[in-house]
Amino acid sequence: DTAVSQTPKYLVTQMGNDKSIKCEQNLGHDTMYWYKQDSKKFLKIMFSYNNKELIINETVPNRFSPKSPDKAHLNLHINSLELGDSAVYFCASSQPGSTEAFFGQGTRLTVV
Amino acid sequence: GNSVTQMEGPVTLSEEAFLTINCTYTATGYPSLFWYVQYPGEGLQLLLKATKADDKGSNKGFEATYRKETTSFHLEKGSVQVSDSAVYFCALRLRTGGGNKLTFGTGTQLKVEL
Repeated sequence: DTAVSQTPKYLVTQMGNDKSIKCEQNLGHDTMYWYKQDSKKFLKIMFSYNNKELIINETVPNRFSPKSPDKAHLNLHINSLELGDSAVYFCASSQPGSTEAFFGQGTRLTVV
Repeated sequence: GNSVTQMEGPVTLSEEAFLTINCTYTATGYPSLFWYVQYPGEGLQLLLKATKADDKGSNKGFEATYRKETTSFHLEKGSVQVSDSAVYFCALRLRTGGGNKLTFGTGTQLKVEL
């Protein structure tokens, strides 16, 4: 039973399109995150939500809009996709006060 | 600001060799420290952690000791296997403030050959 699941696993799309990546966690955690991993494997936080409220937005372009309909879901919508958006996007969750974060399998986004 | 510096890879070792991957950190508070592993085509998994100075995290034969005096958290394994081939990430999280986010190093790719 997957703890943090993301869909789709792979996404290939053209420049200028709008796409969404979905994330769900069944761990009962209050905090969820989106991280971006670039082609050199560097991982950087994009957003963090705690109980549906945005608490971290790390200077991400406003073409990226996270949406948290409930605390078990944190979706990432991207408008007007650019070539530089190609990366692997990881969803994660944790419980406040806990040291461990659980990661999804990642979504490899390729913009052509 | 907070940052994590890891040795650059790739690191290529023969099976049963000794592994060290260096990690040092800069933090404004008292961080918890982590090593995550990413196997090919997979997501990140927590390998081990340490939450305070002098703690030693260990798992699957890997160890790392939280050294506050040298701000380091080096990963070691006495005898690596081909199945240990992966990318290893050192990370920190502040215990207060910081929004509970992880700050990662750049990752070190390990290749273990027969």
